[in-house]
Amino acid sequence: GIQVEQSPPDLILQEGANSTLRCNFSDSVNNLQWFHQNPWGQLINLFYIPSGTKQNGRLSATTVATERYSLLYISSSQTTDSGVYFCAVATGNQFYFGTGTSLTVIP
Amino acid sequence: KAGVTQTPRYLIKTRGQQVTLSCSPISGHRSVSWYQQTPGQGLQFLFEYFSETQRNKGNFPGRFSGRQFSNSRSEMNVSTLELGDSALYLCASNPTPSIETQYFGPGTRLLVL
Repeated sequence: GIQVEQSPPDLILQEGANSTLRCNFSDSVNNLQWFHQNPWGQLINLFYIPSGTKQNGRLSATTVATERYSLLYISSSQTTDSGVYFCAVATGNQFYFGTGTSLTVIP
Repeated sequence: KAGVTQTPRYLIKTRGQQVTLSCSPISGHRSVSWYQQTPGQGLQFLFEYFSETQRNKGNFPGRFSGRQFSNSRSEMNVSTLELGDSALYLCASNPTPSIETQYFGPGTRLLVL
């Protein structure tokens, strides 16, 4: 299957700081999605972004499919941004999650 | 619309037992996918059902099975539980088999003793 690697594995930020999370994948994919898992385990869709750039408030994402990576930008981080961020890719009908980036935002 | 619901939310079983988990998708959604999340292996795809048919299956042993009913509700069953089956089991609901529109439930936390 496809290998999906995320970096950094852990990140601690002061509230208000900006951050960039990276997702590298080992093969061509049909789809790519970013999720946020809150401390209670709930996974929330952030972006569906197989290519190009999207923005939603303080979050934005860019995928360069030809170079097999995606970036998630978080600006002006807030404590509620804490949790684990996953990227997931799909080829055919199989869906593969990355290892996640654990983000802690401290006040 | 109500979100994806999973029952039970927490479950404790012993080795060798079997367990059945339930997932009710968002009304109108016909596709349901199941995932296992463990600290060691991360999030792994189990299987996907659409219109009562299994479309895809991940790399899990035959002890893991599932089904979908005509009302799109889905169940997954794990027989002969092992300690390593302790995990958070997540269900995702889609209107159609499309990753773009996956909506996740809160999960069922299974502990095998």
